Amino acid sequence: SQTIHQWPATLVQPVGSPLSLECTVEGTSNPNLYWYRQAAGRGLQLLFYSVGIGQISSEVPQNLSASRPQDRQFILSSKKLLLSDSGFYLCAWRKGEFSYEQYFGPGTRLTVT
Amino acid sequence: AQKVTQAQTEISVVEKEDVTLDCVYETRDTTYYLFWYKQPPSGELVFLIRRNSFDEQNEISGRYSWNFQKSTSSFNFTITASQVVDSAVYFCALSEEYMIYNQGGKLIFGQGTELSVKP
Repeated sequence: SQTIHQWPATLVQPVGSPLSLECTVEGTSNPNLYWYRQAAGRGLQLLFYSVGIGQISSEVPQNLSASRPQDRQFILSSKKLLLSDSGFYLCAWRKGEFSYEQYFGPGTRLTVT
Repeated sequence: AQKVTQAQTEISVVEKEDVTLDCVYETRDTTYYLFWYKQPPSGELVFLIRRNSFDEQNEISGRYSWNFQKSTSSFNFTITASQVVDSAVYFCALSEEYMIYNQGGKLIFGQGTELSVKP
């Protein structure tokens, strides 16, 4: 069966510090991968998605970036965090072109101080 | 443009009551897919159901049922005999066929409905 991991689970970082959040999927190959952010207001905002290694599509221009160095690894980064980057970051995967639903990881709660 | 509206921000019920969560969607595509997800306090979104636009048959799974009506662009979710464990935020989502095959299968989410079931 497939599982998705995210780490760390929680993170407190000062403004201006770098960020690296990691997501890995097990038990599948060539998944579509997604990064979402959920702010306090509860809505889910799609940040990036990837349909293959090295292929990243950005949905919202901001100081975040994403990379996919391996088939089942998706990384969310920032060089300098802003207070507005605080939130709950969720990684998700989809089986491929002929699948529809996304499956979510446990999330990372980021607080920028 | 695509849009999902969950007008109910918060709902509070007493255990064993039935509750319906509303979802209204907007799309110009003739082929699309609708989803419901549950987000318990732990935070992880749990997939509940997917419905295709060409299948209007209602679905029942235990205490959960879904009513899909294209005529009113609605995909409502009913929990029968609610339990405390049903307390969560519930999200409705939409994906159009174009998005499935050309935009990585992105989902458009509603703002969610927070359901609180009290004992």
